[in-house]
Amino acid sequence: EAGVTQFPSHSVIEKGQTVTLRCDPISGHDNLYWYRRVMGKEIKFLLHFVKESKQDESGMPNNRFLAERTGGTYSTLKVQPAELEDSGVYFCASRLTGGPNNEQFFGPGTRLTVL
Amino acid sequence: AQSVTQPDIHITVSEGASLELRCNYSYGATPYLFWYVQSPGQGLQLLLKYFSGDTLVQGIKGFEAEFKRSQSSFNLRKPSVHWSDAAEYFCAVGAYNAGNMLTFGGGTRLMVKP
Repeated sequence: EAGVTQFPSHSVIEKGQTVTLRCDPISGHDNLYWYRRVMGKEIKFLLHFVKESKQDESGMPNNRFLAERTGGTYSTLKVQPAELEDSGVYFCASRLTGGPNNEQFFGPGTRLTVL
Repeated sequence: AQSVTQPDIHITVSEGASLELRCNYSYGATPYLFWYVQSPGQGLQLLLKYFSGDTLVQGIKGFEAEFKRSQSSFNLRKPSVHWSDAAEYFCAVGAYNAGNMLTFGGGTRLMVKP
């Protein structure tokens, strides 16, 4: 069974540009989470989807960030326009409601560098 | 609001030595506690978790952790470290009633000397 995948693995863009990150959860997982780790800081929650609905987006830093999960499968996180402080590693995780251990399975992350 | 503190940013141990990584949390109710490990180029892998019951929990790769409510701690231990344990370790607390969002500590980077 494939794990959580994220694309791209790395992205280098200039300030003011737009970047779209993609996450493919484990097939059948209804919960999808985005987290971010800014350099030198802790991993922070951004938002949580249940199927295609945003359950909690309290961690989204500002309106330059837009997350979608059309159809309740894969999700995208768009940053427009990107700023220097957006640099970091963006993690996606998925979880099956009622699954064993309530475990969140994490992807390898996308490392975003804004120059 | 919940928070997690990992006091040690870097730790270096010799291969074969014992290891303890510290984790302190702040949470208003009974916490759900986790330890994750991230090896280079990999995602976060769950090592072990505490939900309830026995306060000493066993995980994968020979790791264990002990929940101490009185100290608000959930320290990770391993009796004998292997070179392959070199990685970054994250402690996290889960808010079960809030969709299971995780609050992470800052991480501890473990280096293993031959």
